[in-house]
Amino acid sequence: EVQLLESGGGLAQPGGSLRLSCAASGFTFSNYAMSWVRQAPGKGLEWVSSSSGGDTYYADSVKGRFTISRDNSKNTLFLQMNSLRAEDTAVYYCAKDPYSGWSSYFDYWGQGTLVTVSS
Amino acid sequence: QTVVTQEPSFSVSPGGTVTLTCGLSSGSVSTTHYPSWYQQTPGQAPRTLIYTTDIRSSGVPGRFSGSILGNKAALTITGAQADDDSNYYCVLYLGRGIRVFGGGTKLTVL
Repeated sequence: EVQLLESGGGLAQPGGSLRLSCAASGFTFSNYAMSWVRQAPGKGLEWVSSSSGGDTYYADSVKGRFTISRDNSKNTLFLQMNSLRAEDTAVYYCAKDPYSGWSSYFDYWGQGTLVTVSS
Repeated sequence: QTVVTQEPSFSVSPGGTVTLTCGLSSGSVSTTHYPSWYQQTPGQAPRTLIYTTDIRSSGVPGRFSGSILGNKAALTITGAQADDDSNYYCVLYLGRGIRVFGGGTKLTVL
């Protein structure tokens, strides 16, 4: 059974940093691309970033501030978030992609971790 | 900037049929955008319903179907049930690894 467990959320100050983690199990992690999707309170879903093979992709709203990475030996996906803004406040979901390369959709989702950016 | 459009809200009677759509602010949606659809109830993680236009994800009931209707992607629920009362999001693939969500449709079954 595929399981994705996010952690690392919490309160951060504007301009601060946080690092999210996503522990994966139930599949061969290194064989699949992975993504982060977020949802601001009361708002819709927003794709944030994906890591596929050796490539990384970012939404314009986070480019240059967020960095996606992965440790295949530990089956873990990361999202380093720097220069945080109030508008980054959201639940951040880890999502599995169906292929190792680029994908058009997400096939499994974690339960999410809440990031709040406020002074 | 490309915007993916969805109806903000829709309602359907139990047992009825409803079609939600997913469009582009400029241009038409086609199979090359590989549209996918997700269901989300408040406080829960999204659930994948449809991918690559019309393929149902594992375990998704047959009353959910995807298609291209005119210049939009469409999600049709045939024989709506009470637990279909949810938010529905589409995603379009815009190339170069970029995926964009629509704003979502709140479907009320009553």
